[in-house]
Amino acid sequence: QKEVEQNSGPLSVPEGAIASLNCTYSDRGSQSFFWYRQYSGKSPELIMFIYSNGDKEDGRFTAQLNKASQYVSLLIRDSQPSDSATYLCAVNSRTNTDKLIFGTGTRLQVFP
Amino acid sequence: DAGVIQSPRHEVTEMGQEVTLRCKPISGHDYLFWYRQTMMRGLELLIYFNNNVPIDDSGMPEDRFSAKMPNASFSTLKIQPSEPRDSAVYFCASSLIAGLGTEAFFGQGTRLTVV
Repeated sequence: QKEVEQNSGPLSVPEGAIASLNCTYSDRGSQSFFWYRQYSGKSPELIMFIYSNGDKEDGRFTAQLNKASQYVSLLIRDSQPSDSATYLCAVNSRTNTDKLIFGTGTRLQVFP
Repeated sequence: DAGVIQSPRHEVTEMGQEVTLRCKPISGHDYLFWYRQTMMRGLELLIYFNNNVPIDDSGMPEDRFSAKMPNASFSTLKIQPSEPRDSAVYFCASSLIAGLGTEAFFGQGTRLTVV
């Protein structure tokens, strides 16, 4: 089992819809969870982080964390074509909180 | 600040040659990370430094890979000898405080092709 798993996609949604991106992790002791966005040919950039169970909202983005189910998700409301990118989930290591373990990413396509 | 600066942006080399990738972190950041990204394996952490000291190199694939950070503003990742399976995008990232809720800023990456 991979430490951080994501569906590779592509996930295709129409403009204006809600995009839901999911991530599961194997280490129950993980404490912090990050969502990065990576445009094609570019470097990853942080969108949000969360470390408490529940929801955290920032503009059109909502991160959801359920530690009991070892599940973290990212919702993008009112999706725009400019949101088309690969979204990387990252989890910190229990044994070393400095380390971020990344999933392989989910490619999102928002079509007009 | 110009952000994390990596060089070169692209490198094409022949198998067996030595390759050196360079990184300048954001000034004042205590942590520096080297990642490798491939389609199959995603973004893998190779090694990271705290205050110029290597903390964890468990992700370095084999002895052909080495990394140094001689001062707070410069780090290198060296592959000697290089092999075709080393072809990937190598990212350097830096952060103020690693771990809980701290943003890592990535450089633009070096796309390495070993033929």
